[in-house]
Amino acid sequence: NAGVTQTPKFQVLKTGQSMTLQCAQDMNHNSMYWYRQDPGMGLRLIYYSASEGTTDKGEVPNGYNVSRLNKREFSLRLESAAPSQTSVYFCASTPVGDIQYFGAGTRLSVL
Amino acid sequence: AQSVSQHNHHVILSEAASLELGCNYSYGGTVNLFWYVQYPGQHLQLLLKYFSGDPLVKGIKGFEAEFIKSKFSFNLRKPSVQWSDTAEYFCAVSSNDYKLSFGAGTTVTVRA
Repeated sequence: NAGVTQTPKFQVLKTGQSMTLQCAQDMNHNSMYWYRQDPGMGLRLIYYSASEGTTDKGEVPNGYNVSRLNKREFSLRLESAAPSQTSVYFCASTPVGDIQYFGAGTRLSVL
Repeated sequence: AQSVSQHNHHVILSEAASLELGCNYSYGGTVNLFWYVQYPGQHLQLLLKYFSGDPLVKGIKGFEAEFIKSKFSFNLRKPSVQWSDTAEYFCAVSSNDYKLSFGAGTTVTVRA
């Protein structure tokens, strides 16, 4: 009963490097989300996917891309990492119109 | 888009004290309201939610929240806190598009 699984848990990048954060859910949820959490700012929505095959920008999409690979998986890509992207990233999923279930988070540092 | 305001950034309490965390939102339409909790080193977990019906909602671990539509508020309460309630608490709001807008969070520290 894994729920929402995020990999990796920790990552350190140098400025300009790229990486992909992976997220998978085994609850057959339609919608998936990527948030970043920064001190004093709560969680801010980066991108979301209301259903398989669709993706939309959230509040802070600049510098990120996403792929909804299938119903289970929703990845977040940083093409050229910047120090401002140092944050904790959370993936979440939900059946339509219900509560969101969160993964354990990925702590990313960009030097 | 909605915005969510949490009034307190950091609250420090002694065990057995009562807790109330304020949350106000700005959106005139139908909303779904949530309180999430994040214990140290853990991911967010749902405390309680309000979709419709009785505006006084009871959640896990003795928490409750009251939706007051006229005040655009959804305050969280617990009559008697324990040390294990030390955590960060987030109020969140969603409307018909199912996207959540979060408040900045309130850190609650309970001293034994």
